[in-house]
Amino acid sequence: AQRVTQPEKLLSVFKGAPVELKCNYSYSGSPELFWYVQYSRQRLQLLLRHISRESIKGFTADLNKGETSFHLKKPFAQEEDSAMYYCALRRWGGADGLTFGKGTHLIIQP
Amino acid sequence: DAGVIQSPRHEVTEMGQEVTLRCKPISGHNSLFWYRQTMMRGLELLIYFNNNVPIDDSGMPEDRFSAKMPNASFSTLKIQPSEPRDSAVYFCGGGINTGELFFGEGSRLTVL
Repeated sequence: AQRVTQPEKLLSVFKGAPVELKCNYSYSGSPELFWYVQYSRQRLQLLLRHISRESIKGFTADLNKGETSFHLKKPFAQEEDSAMYYCALRRWGGADGLTFGKGTHLIIQP
Repeated sequence: DAGVIQSPRHEVTEMGQEVTLRCKPISGHNSLFWYRQTMMRGLELLIYFNNNVPIDDSGMPEDRFSAKMPNASFSTLKIQPSEPRDSAVYFCGGGINTGELFFGEGSRLTVL
C-alpha cells in the first residue's frame, strides 16, 4: 500500500521568512512524487514533480529516498503563496491515480 | 482549451435524492480520475478510467456510487440514493499516460 503523510495541517509564517512543507511517503516500489497547490476555492494545479527538478514560483523539492521524504521549500515566503499544498505519489512510470496527502494549509502573514 | 469542465459547480439536495456529477476532460487526454475531497479525509481517489475503460474502482465507497465514461469526452459520477455523509467537493482530473494530471474546478455537493 502507498501512503503520503503531511504532518502539518496548518503552517503560518511571516512574509519573507523561509517555508518548509513536510512530506513523507511510504511505498514499496519506485515512486514519482508531486506537489500540487490549491488556491482558495480554485482547482488543483501542479506545482512541482520530482523528475523535472524545476523551481516553480521559487519553490523547490528534493526527493530523499533514504528518508522517504519530498519536502517543499521556499527561501522567502510571499503573501500570494497562501494556499493548500498537497503532496502526492504515483507508481514510477505508471498511469495510475495519484495518492494524496491530507494537505497543509499555508498562511503567509504580512 | 477551457480545461477540465465540471458541472454542476454547486449542488444542494436532500437525502435520498439521486445526484449526477459531470465531467468533460481535456481533448486528447486518455486517463480520467474522480476524487472526493473532505476536511476529514482529504483527497480520495474514487475511480479512474484509461481510454474510457474503468481500471480501478476500489475507492468507490459503496454501491450507491457509480461512474461511467461512455466516450472520451464525457464522464459521470452518480450517487443514488445520496446521504449527508456524501457532502464533499468532487474533482475530476485527467492526463496523458504518465504525465501531469489536470483538474477541474470541482463540484461542491451538499446533501441535507
